[in-house]
Amino acid sequence: KAGVTQTPRYLIKTRGQQVTLSCSPISGHRSVSWYQQTPGQGLQFLFEYFSETQRNKGNFPGRFSGRQFSNSRSEMNVSTLELGDSALYLCASSSNRGTNEKLFFGSGTQLSVL
Amino acid sequence: ILNVEQSPQSLHVQEGDSTNFTCSFPSSNFYALHWYRWETAKSPEALFVMTLNGDEKKKGRISATLNTKEGYSYLYIKGSQPEDSATYLCAFPSGAGSYQLTFGKGTKLSVIP
Repeated sequence: KAGVTQTPRYLIKTRGQQVTLSCSPISGHRSVSWYQQTPGQGLQFLFEYFSETQRNKGNFPGRFSGRQFSNSRSEMNVSTLELGDSALYLCASSSNRGTNEKLFFGSGTQLSVL
Repeated sequence: ILNVEQSPQSLHVQEGDSTNFTCSFPSSNFYALHWYRWETAKSPEALFVMTLNGDEKKKGRISATLNTKEGYSYLYIKGSQPEDSATYLCAFPSGAGSYQLTFGKGTKLSVIP
């Protein structure tokens, strides 16, 4: 069974640009979550999608948005990039068959904003 | 805002030593406690999801205990090996069945051969 796939692996952008990151969950998983990892803050929750609906959103500005498609693949978009958006962005999927299922993480997209 | 604390921040042990570290979380409104291992250049990997007070889970040489009344969990590694070198993260969900996890900043374990 293929794992969670994130593309691209690395991205370099300049301030003011926008970026789209992609995540393909494990086959059969319908829940996709996004997390931001920075050295100072650790892993922070961005948002979670289930069946194309955003169920939860973390404390991030509106420049961060996401969506989920009918095949459960998800994208997140960051508009008007700032230097502080440089981070590793991780996507995680879960089967959501019951409560307290573990998350399966992808390898992440390393975003550098210059 | 949930507060999940992990200690120590980092740890160096000799190969063969046993070690343990702590995760503290809010004791009220407990739903579950997740443990993940994150090796350098790899993805975080789930170790355990714990839900019951007094629960103890084991995976090979790694085990974890849970005290929901006092709000802590211990992770133990018996006979540490160099391949155990990783950052160990605990995480606390915002609600029952929620995948909105608040992560601790992790304990970075280095096992010296």
